[in-house]
Amino acid sequence: DQQVKQNSPSLSVQEGRISILNCDYTNSMFDYFLWYKKYPAEGPTFLISISSIKDKNEDGRFTVFLNKSAKHLSLHIVPSQPGDSAVYFCAASANFGNEKLTFGTGTRLTIIP
Amino acid sequence: GAVVSQHPSWVICKSGTSVKIECRSLDFQATTMFWYRQFPKQSLMLMATSNEGSKATYEQGVEKDKFLINHASLTLSTLTVTSAHPEDSSFYICSATPGNLAGYTFGSGTRLTVV
Repeated sequence: DQQVKQNSPSLSVQEGRISILNCDYTNSMFDYFLWYKKYPAEGPTFLISISSIKDKNEDGRFTVFLNKSAKHLSLHIVPSQPGDSAVYFCAASANFGNEKLTFGTGTRLTIIP
Repeated sequence: GAVVSQHPSWVICKSGTSVKIECRSLDFQATTMFWYRQFPKQSLMLMATSNEGSKATYEQGVEKDKFLINHASLTLSTLTVTSAHPEDSSFYICSATPGNLAGYTFGSGTRLTVV
């Protein structure tokens, strides 16, 4: 039962353009969402998060949008840079802090120079 | 910022032996630590949640007698893979949180190969 899904396993974007990564969830108890960047054989690196009381959170080149009614969130990266090439995971939690994270399936982003 | 150290970063062991992986929070006290496993090209799957001083809570399908978790202090949790078999070969990652909405920090992971 995959409660958090990333339907695009891979995405290629031209350098300088916008990268949009999508994530859908099914568990209505989730109220906190996070995006992580991961390289092979390394642990995930936190990028940005959003709680269910907001619909948008921005940090530099990264913006996360949350549509609670659609149970959908997206990560926008603009402008995209070659160093952004990695696997991106969205994750969700029912109670941020001590609660466990449920990860999505990941999207491999490749930025084309 | 919060740092979690995971050791070893990679290990090769013979089938039937046991392997211990350590996860340390270096600059904060971790009330809760999580252990994940990632198979190639797949998502991170939570194996268990451990709270300091109490028994770990295992996810469905994870054998608690095979994957022994000890969280004896607020800065150290260990995962022991007992009687390892080739199908246990995977990438194991820990994460820790001090609680109180302070966020999660991940270790750098351990690549386990059982031959």
